[in-house]
Amino acid sequence: GAVVSQHPSRVICKSGTSVKIECRSLDFQATTMFWYRQFPKQSLMLMATSNEGSKATYEQGVEKDKFLINHASLTLSTLTVTSAHPEDSSFYICSATLRVGTGTNEQFFGPGTRLTVL
Amino acid sequence: GEDVEQSLFLSVREGDSSVINCTYTDSSSTYLYWYKQEPGAGLQLLTYIFSNMDMKQDQRLTVLLNKKDKHLSLRIADTQTGDSAIYFCAESIEAGANNLFFGTGTRLTVIP
Repeated sequence: GAVVSQHPSRVICKSGTSVKIECRSLDFQATTMFWYRQFPKQSLMLMATSNEGSKATYEQGVEKDKFLINHASLTLSTLTVTSAHPEDSSFYICSATLRVGTGTNEQFFGPGTRLTVL
Repeated sequence: GEDVEQSLFLSVREGDSSVINCTYTDSSSTYLYWYKQEPGAGLQLLTYIFSNMDMKQDQRLTVLLNKKDKHLSLRIADTQTGDSAIYFCAESIEAGANNLFFGTGTRLTVIP
């Protein structure tokens, strides 16, 4: 099956530093990757949609300068949380899709990265 | 915007059936999904249903859709301890759309 990995699985950083999270599709080429944020006891919130070779599309209320997304290849997307603050502490999950625009549009999810900002 | 709601917790005894409910507000939802999230892991797609269907069965899983009431349910027959997880329903409002809108998730606890 399609496997998506994330690295690191957990990260603790000091306030003001930047953190990069990687999302990789291991056995397929992902034309589109998504970044979600999950708060405790709340649903996943879509942050941005990332297409290979083009700029990410951010959801309303998500600061693009705060959450930098780079989708440099068909198997890798990165999310960089710049100048992290404690309120950025959350569980970040990426997903990848094989095809866009048709069918069930199944997304394959990574295991998530727990970010803790001290 | 889209609003998808679920109750937060459900406890059942091993061997019983579990029914997880979900309501949504957008009548133009085209695909409705159930995902399972185990501790520390990403989401795993369990099953999905098209909006023009009323029911879908897949082994121990039965999905029921009441489009008039905008109500979706997931029934797990013969619930096992390995079914303990958080279950999310999700919808996409357009055919082939990438955006998924998730419910808050229901934490299912299976009591041995």
